[in-house]
Amino acid sequence: EVQLVESGGGLVKPGGSLRLSCAASGFTFSSYSMNWVRQAPGKGLEWVSSISSSSSFIYYADSVKGRFTISRDNAKNSLYLQMNSLRAEDTSVYYCARRLAGTGLLGLDYWGQGTLVTVSS
Amino acid sequence: SYELTQPPSVSVSPGQTARITCSGDALPKQYAYWYQQKPGQAPVLVIYKDSERPSGIPERFSGSSSGTTVTLTISGVQAEDEADYYCQSADSSGTSFVFGTGTKVTVL
Repeated sequence: EVQLVESGGGLVKPGGSLRLSCAASGFTFSSYSMNWVRQAPGKGLEWVSSISSSSSFIYYADSVKGRFTISRDNAKNSLYLQMNSLRAEDTSVYYCARRLAGTGLLGLDYWGQGTLVTVSS
Repeated sequence: SYELTQPPSVSVSPGQTARITCSGDALPKQYAYWYQQKPGQAPVLVIYKDSERPSGIPERFSGSSSGTTVTLTISGVQAEDEADYYCQSADSSGTSFVFGTGTKVTVL
């Protein structure tokens, strides 16, 4: 069974940093591209970042570029999101999600339950 | 930046058909995907590659595409289908994912 479990969320002051983790199991993690998607309270889904299976290709939403860094450790079956210079508008539930396998497929077939990040003084 | 536009809400009686549209300029070049999200839960993929249904998704969920608009159709709506639905695709380069604005489906 595919499982994605996020951790590392919490309350942080504006300007602070936080590192999210996502532990994957039930599939060959090193074969899949992974993503972070967030959802502000009462709002819609927003894509944050993606990383290819071997970390060769990394992309960010404009809203987080230069502040967030996505990474992965295939030996540990783990995905990470380092978030720096946090702002109030970064307050969201952060989901990690697996990208569908297959060339040209850019959908997300498995999602974790999310971890809440609150940026407030 | 690239946007996908959905109607904010759709209301439907049980047993009827709900149709949710999603419009975006790059949709002719990139596949669309649809997600169902119930309160307090993570999104669930219900349609991929415009019209394919993942295993375990009921047959009443279907997708179609025409030009710059894709449509999610729920036939024979059931009370359990009440949820938020989001379309998702990518920009023309395929490097940036984008989600639609979301549609709340209410079963009357």
